[in-house]
Amino acid sequence: KAGVTQTPRYLIKTRGQQVTLSCSPISGHRSVSWYQQTPGQGLQFLFEYFSETQRNKGNFPGRFSGRQFSNSRSEMNVSTLELGDSALYLCASSFGRTEGNSPLHFGNGTRLTVT
Amino acid sequence: EDKVVQSPLSLVVHEGDTVTLNCSYEVTNFRSLLWYKQEKKAPTFLFMLTSSGIEKKSGRLSSILDKKELFSILNITATQTGDSAVYLCAGRISGAQKLVFGQGTRLTINP
Repeated sequence: KAGVTQTPRYLIKTRGQQVTLSCSPISGHRSVSWYQQTPGQGLQFLFEYFSETQRNKGNFPGRFSGRQFSNSRSEMNVSTLELGDSALYLCASSFGRTEGNSPLHFGNGTRLTVT
Repeated sequence: EDKVVQSPLSLVVHEGDTVTLNCSYEVTNFRSLLWYKQEKKAPTFLFMLTSSGIEKKSGRLSSILDKKELFSILNITATQTGDSAVYLCAGRISGAQKLVFGQGTRLTINP
């Protein structure tokens, strides 16, 4: 069974640009959530999607957005990139928010470097 | 504000030792406590604990949750060099996929 797939693995962007990251969840999983991991702040919740609807959002500026498609695949977008956006962006999937006993499984992440 | 605190932040032991990692939490609408192992990229799921006092085991690893005292421990017995990693615990919000993570414990096993 394939795990959570994130593309691309690495990205280098310049300040002011925008970027789109992609996540394909485990087959059958309908919930996708995104996390930012930095050495200083650790793992922080960005947002969560279920059935193409954003259910929860973390404390990040509006430059961070996302969406989920009908096949449960998800994308996140960061506009007007800042140096502080350099991080490992992790996607996690699970069966769904109504399935209380379903753990979250993470992808390998996208390493974003902003110069 | 929701908070998860892990201790110690770093631990160095010899192969064969037993280690205990600690996790305390203050999470509103707490549903469960999850443990992950992160070596290079993807955090790998270890345990999800929902009920207090019930130990979960997987090989040399075990974990238990105390919902009254708001903490969990992860035990690793007969450690091996392959256990070297960052161990993360996270509190899960009820009805959501949102996890509040601790800072992680960096465990190093020396041969």
